[in-house]
Amino acid sequence: GDSVTQMEGPVTLSEEAFLTINCTYTATGYPSLFWYVQYPGEGLQLLLKATKADDKGSNKGFEATYRKETTSFHLEKGSVQVSDSAVYFCALSDSFGGFQKLVFGTGTRLLVSP
Amino acid sequence: DTAVSQTPKYLVTQMGNDKSIKCEQNLGHDTMYWYKQDSKKFLKIMFSYNNKELIINETVPNRFSPKSPDKAHLNLHINSLELGDSAVYFCASSQDPRGSEEQYFGPGTRLTVT
Repeated sequence: GDSVTQMEGPVTLSEEAFLTINCTYTATGYPSLFWYVQYPGEGLQLLLKATKADDKGSNKGFEATYRKETTSFHLEKGSVQVSDSAVYFCALSDSFGGFQKLVFGTGTRLLVSP
Repeated sequence: DTAVSQTPKYLVTQMGNDKSIKCEQNLGHDTMYWYKQDSKKFLKIMFSYNNKELIINETVPNRFSPKSPDKAHLNLHINSLELGDSAVYFCASSQDPRGSEEQYFGPGTRLTVT
């Protein structure tokens, strides 16, 4: 079945550092790709998404580009803040009998220190 | 204005008991989901309902029984609780189960089975 692989965490950075969290996927079709973020004690929130190859999703300074040739959707941010500390989940939408099912990676914890 | 709400937020119970978790969304969405997040933060779909009809059932033990009395509610009842059921359970909703729409997550219910 479809799957998502993320880099292991935690990723520890100082404020204003550059962030990359790697995500690769395996899919038989052409899924949509997502990054969700989970802040401590909260549910997941959509951070950004891309629905087709070469699309770039962006939000709050975060970006990710749908790379079909490398089956990747790496998350980047040029300058992280302490408030970005959270767990980041890469996900793809898998079609299941015509219905969407999200398949998540294992999550990557980001810790940003002042 | 809570979009997706769950009750209770915390649930501590003993093995063998039966418990329920409730979920409500006020977004007018047609589709609702239950996810389980284990201690390593791995997130996996359990069930999905569209217009009160079950559309996804991910080989979850039949001790877990979802119930959707209407489109805005999806409850999860668990019989004969086991230690391995300890996890955080998230409810989510989306407008269109067939597309690449964002899913909106509740704050989670942390279930601890002792």
